[in-house]
Amino acid sequence: QQQVKQSPQSLIVQKGGISIINCAYENTAFDYFPWYQQFPGKGPALLIAIRPDVSEKKEGRFTISFNKSAKQFSLHIMDSQPGDSATYFCAANAFSGYSTLTFGKGTMLLVSP
Amino acid sequence: DAGVIQSPRHEVTEMGQEVTLRCKPISGHDSLFWYRQTMMRGLELLIYFNNNVPIDDSGMPEDRFSAKMPNASFSTLKIQPSEPRDSAVYFCASSKQGSNQPQHFGDGTRLSIL
Repeated sequence: QQQVKQSPQSLIVQKGGISIINCAYENTAFDYFPWYQQFPGKGPALLIAIRPDVSEKKEGRFTISFNKSAKQFSLHIMDSQPGDSATYFCAANAFSGYSTLTFGKGTMLLVSP
Repeated sequence: DAGVIQSPRHEVTEMGQEVTLRCKPISGHDSLFWYRQTMMRGLELLIYFNNNVPIDDSGMPEDRFSAKMPNASFSTLKIQPSEPRDSAVYFCASSKQGSNQPQHFGDGTRLSIL
């Protein structure tokens, strides 16, 4: 059973545009929602994370929007750049004393010049 | 700071052979995770350790897979015997203990079983 559903699978955005990736979860025990960025040949790296007590978190051009009632959260990349081309994973963690993560299946983002 | 170090980066071997993947976590991190990444299934958690003790191995696909963490600075994932369907990228990650601690990933081992 996939606990975190991510969409779209792939996304093409023009340089300067806004990239939006969406995730939905089922487990209401999740209380931490990170996004990871992965470049080819590299491991995923933490990009930005949010807890459900806030509805939005912004770091530079990257913003997470969180809707607790809908059990959805999304990543917005403003002014998308070719260097943002990568695979993005949403994830979720339920408090258990350990930082285990359930990952979405990923979105391949291509930002065209 | 040195990140998570995995070796080898690439491994090609024939079906039936034993494969051993190695991981050195970040110093000071208490938790270590092994993941498998494929196009079909995405990132799957295989097993994780806390303070060198396996906590949950429910993601290990079969008895052919085993993992050990003999000390705080070294872990292995072993597949014996290997099969073509084990071909994937295997990642090791480490974090400090506790919820909501970021996981730091190595660059993975790309495994091809012929």
